[in-house]
Amino acid sequence: EVQLVESGGGLVQPGGSLRLSCAASGFTFSSYWMHWVRQAPGKGLVWVSRINSDGSSTSYADSVKGRFTISRDNAKNTLYLQMNSLRAEDTAVYYCARDGNLQDVDAFDIWGQGTMVTVSS
Amino acid sequence: EIVLTQSPATLSLSPGERATLSCRASQSVSSYLAWYQQKPGQAPRLLIYDASNRATGIPARFSGSGSGTDFTLTISSLEPEDFAVYYCQQRSNWPPAFGQGTRLEIK
Repeated sequence: EVQLVESGGGLVQPGGSLRLSCAASGFTFSSYWMHWVRQAPGKGLVWVSRINSDGSSTSYADSVKGRFTISRDNAKNTLYLQMNSLRAEDTAVYYCARDGNLQDVDAFDIWGQGTMVTVSS
Repeated sequence: EIVLTQSPATLSLSPGERATLSCRASQSVSSYLAWYQQKPGQAPRLLIYDASNRATGIPARFSGSGSGTDFTLTISSLEPEDFAVYYCQQRSNWPPAFGQGTRLEIK
């Protein structure tokens, strides 16, 4: 079964750090671009970051640039999001998602269940 | 940066009725538009990609149309499980922005 499972969320104080993980299974993780998308409570979906298949290229939303770092370990089939200098407005459910472009699906075709990050004192 | 505007914000219909959801882009996205369904407490699920292609396992009652700046998601006959929030997303330009969503609720 193709699956993505996020972990690492929790409560953190403003200015703090957190690292999210996304474990992939059921597909050749190393072949796919991957993304992080977040959703603040009661709000819509917002794209956060993307990494290419071998980790050599990344991009970020302006709102997180310079604070968040996306990375991957293809040997461990795991995607990461290192979040530093966290702000209250970073509070959200964070989803990892697979980019379907390898199969000519120009969309995010597989999503994890999400992990909640709360930034509060 | 391309902005996607979805309408209406909320759509109230009964099971068996036809639903028509709209997504308008601030500039042309060609056919690089996807639709997702999200139920409360769940992750989004891909429904439609490239404006009109159903994703794997998506029922035939879901269809997408449009190109350029105007797109439509149609649900031909609503089932009880279809009441959810629907998002469009463009993949034409970077970043891959989402619309603000349309809530489809039971009338």
